[in-house]
Amino acid sequence: AQTVTQSQPEMSVQEAETVTLSCTYDTSESNYYLFWYKQPPSRQMILVIRQEAYKQQNATENRFSVNFQKAAKSFSLKISDSQLGDTAMYFCAFMKLGGQGGSEKLVFGKGTKLTVNP
Amino acid sequence: DGGITQSPKYLFRKEGQNVTLSCEQNLNHDAMYWYRQDPGQGLRLIYYSQIVNDFQKGDIAEGYSVSREKKESFPLTVTSAQKNPTAFYLCASSTGQGVNQPQHFGDGTRLSIL
Repeated sequence: AQTVTQSQPEMSVQEAETVTLSCTYDTSESNYYLFWYKQPPSRQMILVIRQEAYKQQNATENRFSVNFQKAAKSFSLKISDSQLGDTAMYFCAFMKLGGQGGSEKLVFGKGTKLTVNP
Repeated sequence: DGGITQSPKYLFRKEGQNVTLSCEQNLNHDAMYWYRQDPGQGLRLIYYSQIVNDFQKGDIAEGYSVSREKKESFPLTVTSAQKNPTAFYLCASSTGQGVNQPQHFGDGTRLSIL
């Protein structure tokens, strides 16, 4: 079974600075996706960024980028130029591809609470 | 706009009572999911359905039941067998085709015990 570990329960950063959230995972699969979801105080889950395991290039979405180290099974999220609206819980998630059933089940980490201070 | 609608936003359950949480999507997605979120626990999968009239247990299915009679709807019933139902429940959907398609989430239902 896959597991996802987020070792930082809480983090804080000053507005306009850069912060990195850590995520490691354990799997024997070779074909999978990794995601970062954001959950603001409104509790809605919002997709931030995704990475295909077969791609060596790190994914980037505006101020959000990842550092994907497949051999180390590490998938960290970097937020540049932090904004007050980035304050939220951030969840790392793993999705196995293919196999019997083929359903896109997600396995989540326990989350990191990020606070951006003015 | 397409999306996922969960209702009600807040729900209260009496001891020994079954309650049903609604989840409707107009994204034409084949797959739908139910997650439970507890403080410090992240999201855990309760049930999922890849297609109409079919569903599978997730990691914490005991005390819950689902149905999938229509593509758009995937209601979750929290039965009296679920002894600790107080949690935030999230419904999600995806295309089910497994090709770089993330799950889309509803706004959630908070269930509490009276």
